[in-house]
Formats: sequence, structure tokens, C-alpha cells
Amino acid sequence: QLQLQESGPGLVKPSETLSLTCTVSGGSISSSSYYWGWIRQPPGKGLEWIGSIYYSGSTYYNPSLKSRVTISVDTSKNQFSLKLSSVTAADTAVYYCARLEAVTTPDYWGQGTLVTVSS
Amino acid sequence: DIQMTQSPSSLSASVGDRVTITCQASQDISNYLNWYQQKPGKAPKLLIYDASNLETGVPSRFSGSGSGTDFTFTISSLQPEDIATYYCQQYDNLRITFGPGTKVDIK
Repeated sequence: QLQLQESGPGLVKPSETLSLTCTVSGGSISSSSYYWGWIRQPPGKGLEWIGSIYYSGSTYYNPSLKSRVTISVDTSKNQFSLKLSSVTAADTAVYYCARLEAVTTPDYWGQGTLVTVSS
Repeated sequence: DIQMTQSPSSLSASVGDRVTITCQASQDISNYLNWYQQKPGKAPKLLIYDASNLETGVPSRFSGSGSGTDFTFTISSLQPEDIATYYCQQYDNLRITFGPGTKVDIK
């Protein structure tokens, strides 16, 4: 059974860089059929796609976040990562990692991790 | 950018009722439309993909239809465990966008 698990600091200071890692188990991140992505949800609000990556390293990002986002993949560890720079309180959210079927459809999700931006 | 609208934003219905949620895209997205269920404190769960295909293991009381710009999600007989927020999600031109969500309660 495929499982995704987010990890990283739960508290980040304003202007610093948020860094999260998603570890994939029960399947290979190098599968040619899937992309891998990050999605976030501010408390009490809706879902926002951040960006996606293919195992080859090809990425595409939400234009509204593109200038601050970097997503990378480490196939040897079966992990992919998110970096979001220059964070503010508006970046406080539950961050989910997900597998994307055919690049269009997040079909498996991690449980999510709350990241709070505060001094 | 393609904008997604959902209606209603919330609804209350009785157990056994038929519940319908609509999602509208600002441009033609063909059938690149998925539906998710999210319960409090949990990750979203994929229910319907490509507008009308039921994800494996999802009860058949859930269904979806539509193409182009107008889509419908239906619960044929609302059950207590269906209390959740439902989101539509579209894909177009390398971008993914979610609708604002519809919160479903039991009356």
C-alpha cells in the first residue's frame, strides 16, 4: 500500500525558508506513470496547489508562488522536497504531499503537516 | 488562469436525501475535473476522477457528470458518514486549481 509522509519543522520564522520532505513508501518515486506534488491548506480555508515534480526532475509550479518555490526529488531516498522562501504569516498552513496520477489528479495524499510561520 | 466556482458553499440535508453540488470552470477544461471529500483533520480523498469515473473502493452512491465548463457531483442517498467538505479540482495547461468547497451537514 502506497504511503506518503511529510516531515519538517512545524514552526518557521518570518522571512526564513520553509523546508519539508515527503518520504514515499510502498512504491517507487521513479515510476514513469506519476508526478509528485505539494498542496497546502491554510487553517479553515481551501486547498492550494503549490507545484509538482517528475522523477526526472521536471517541475511546474503555481504561478502565484513560483518565485519562492523549489521542489526537488531524490530518487535514491524515494523522497521529494519543498522549499518555500521568504515566508510570512500567510504561509501558515497544513502542507500535504501527494502522488499525481497522469499529472492531473492527486490520488494518494500524505496525512499533512501543520507549519506555522511566527516569530 | 482558470477560476473554479462551486455551489452551494454549504448545505444541510437529511439522511437518505439526494445531494447535488455544482462546479463551474471559467474556461473549457474538457473532462479534467476531479471531486474530493475532506473530513475534519484529514487529507482529502479522491472520489471521482475525469468528471465521471468512480475511484476504486468508493461507494456507488457517489457520482459525477459534466464536461466543458459545467460539472455536477451527486450523492444519491446521503449517509451520516458523508458529512464532510467536498472540493472540485481542475487541471489545465500544467496548472491545478481547486474549487472553494461545499460543506455538507446532516439536517
